[in-house]
Amino acid sequence: GAVVSQHPSWVICKSGTSVKIECRSLDFQATTMFWYRQFPKQSLMLMATSNEGSKATYEQGVEKDKFLINHASLTLSTLTVTSAHPEDSSFYICSASGTSGRAYNEQFFGPGTRLTVL
Amino acid sequence: QKEVEQDPGPLSVPEGAIVSLNCTYSNSAFQYFMWYRQYSRKGPELLMYTYSSGNKEDGRFTAQVDKSSKYISLFIRDSQPSDSATYLCAIAGGFKTIFGAGTRLFVKA
Repeated sequence: GAVVSQHPSWVICKSGTSVKIECRSLDFQATTMFWYRQFPKQSLMLMATSNEGSKATYEQGVEKDKFLINHASLTLSTLTVTSAHPEDSSFYICSASGTSGRAYNEQFFGPGTRLTVL
Repeated sequence: QKEVEQDPGPLSVPEGAIVSLNCTYSNSAFQYFMWYRQYSRKGPELLMYTYSSGNKEDGRFTAQVDKSSKYISLFIRDSQPSDSATYLCAIAGGFKTIFGAGTRLFVKA
């Protein structure tokens, strides 16, 4: 149980285009979803936290208008990278917490989406 | 000062060795401590979690917390090549989770 999927697993796009990444909790209700980005050999950097039905809370330094997050249901959150640039190339990982969990605030991670902007 | 400090390694050990991974944290308000394992190009998965000071064992893995010194450890006994991964410590509290930088571990056959 507690499976989180992401789609697509990898994407290549041209500079200036927008890319949407989906995060789904397959077998539990995710009241909270988190979006992280991870550069090679570095740790997870939290971008934003979203609760179902409300606006996302962005971390300092993360542009709200560039990284659009929607958490419309208890099983789906989307991250849209608008007007992508090469410096946005990274590994984007979502996680979800909610009705499942062995530990306090346990987050179940998706497999990640590798974004390459040419 | 980072809220969680973790040596990124890499750490290379022979198969069968005992591995010790460590983190320090600065804010005593965090009450929950976790270790995640992340294989290359995959999302992290929860390995161990603890709440109180002391040891917690799960198979070959032992998580240790010393709240007085704000020090957490993960020990891996009889390490295997399949344990090669990045291990991230995490501290949590008040609906906030902070991850360490991760330590890359290589176990050589």
